Amino acid sequence: SQQGEEDPQALSIQEGENATMNCSYKTSINNLQWYRQNSGRGLVHLILIRSNEREKHSGRLRVTLDTSKKSSSLLITASRAADTASYFCATAQGVTSGSRLTFGEGTQLTVNP
Amino acid sequence: DAGITQSPRYKITETGRQVTLMCHQTWSHSYMFWYRQDLGHGLRLIYYSAAADITDKGEVPDGYVVSRSKTENFPLTLESATRSQTSVYFCASSESSFSGSGPNEQFFGPGTRLTVL
Repeated sequence: SQQGEEDPQALSIQEGENATMNCSYKTSINNLQWYRQNSGRGLVHLILIRSNEREKHSGRLRVTLDTSKKSSSLLITASRAADTASYFCATAQGVTSGSRLTFGEGTQLTVNP
Repeated sequence: DAGITQSPRYKITETGRQVTLMCHQTWSHSYMFWYRQDLGHGLRLIYYSAAADITDKGEVPDGYVVSRSKTENFPLTLESATRSQTSVYFCASSESSFSGSGPNEQFFGPGTRLTVL
């Protein structure tokens, strides 16, 4: 069963604009992680946000988490052509190291130069 | 080179053949994972391992076998390949985390693109 679902499925913007991607999930989580995947490559971890956190920043990335709405958003500011990739959220329900991540189906972001 | 590597990167095989995909990591991470990614979709967990000689099933384990005799290696074997197993396979690893904090970030290999004819 799908835990995390990204919205929109695809997003096309111009360089310099901001990109916002959303992730909704169904059951309580311990943490939520965002990953990027460039075409034909493996996933790269971007940010991890814990259930007791509301917002985290990393460079041009800003992640928010609203546990009452069971949703998270990833904002990329001042986008660049190099940001073109698929972005996935992954949720962790368990509290142990070995808890599984459940990945959504991703948002395909295209940044046009 | 440090990191996580997978081999082969591309593999074409025929229905019914046995295929083994290799995964090697140099960080001594406790946890290792195998995922499959079908075209246009997210990742689905096949098997994972918490340590050498400890493995467990994920979401889609049928038709796959894993072993972990050494911490750094986690091979995935398709015992009798089927066309439905055509996919891109990713191996990942992660460190143990503090109790109660949930799983850490995962580090992914470059993937193996498997085609079963």
